[in-house]
Amino acid sequence: NAGVTQTPKFQVLKTGQSMTLQCAQDMNHNSMYWYRQDPGMGLRLIYYSASEGTTDKGEVPNGYNVSRLNKREFSLRLESAAPSQTSVYFCASSERSLLGYEQYFGPGTRLTVT
Amino acid sequence: SQQGEEDPQALSIQEGENATMNCSYKTSINNLQWYRQNSGRGLVHLILIRSNEREKHSGRLRVTLDTSKKSSSLLITASRAADTASYFCATAPTSGTYKYIFGTGTRLKVLA
Repeated sequence: NAGVTQTPKFQVLKTGQSMTLQCAQDMNHNSMYWYRQDPGMGLRLIYYSASEGTTDKGEVPNGYNVSRLNKREFSLRLESAAPSQTSVYFCASSERSLLGYEQYFGPGTRLTVT
Repeated sequence: SQQGEEDPQALSIQEGENATMNCSYKTSINNLQWYRQNSGRGLVHLILIRSNEREKHSGRLRVTLDTSKKSSSLLITASRAADTASYFCATAPTSGTYKYIFGTGTRLKVLA
């Protein structure tokens, strides 16, 4: 049981290049999320997928697209990377419980755009 | 920005002491959660408190919630060096339960 996995762990891009960050979970969760974490800013929600087949914008969606490929996988795409997208990206998943939505996080992808 | 605020931003204590960190938020919430992040790692869920609860305990953790003041506190008792990490609160607004809002975090350092 690996939990939430993310690939790659590190990536360096030049301005204008594109790339896709991959995320997969093996906990059979319905909901998945993409966050970015910048120094001193905490986590900000980019996109989320409440269930397979649905995606919605979070707080900072500009410059990103997502695909909920199936129940397990949720990818984040940068079509034309910009230096402002230098950040650490975290994927998370959750399943509704009686108590609420505890989120399980992946280890993160550290992205640098030069 | 919709982010919550946490204070202090950084806290340094001796092993065995208690650590208290606070979180303030802006909107009505469904629940509030606390997470820990060790350096360079993903976040780990610690505890969840619902909007109709005022206090909750889990091991050495005690969380309080005051919805009238839109604030919460996390108390770690008898701290250990292994508690050194950043701690974040996250709120689930009643308007959109999936759109969690994270605070800016408190960096805790426990000195052995």
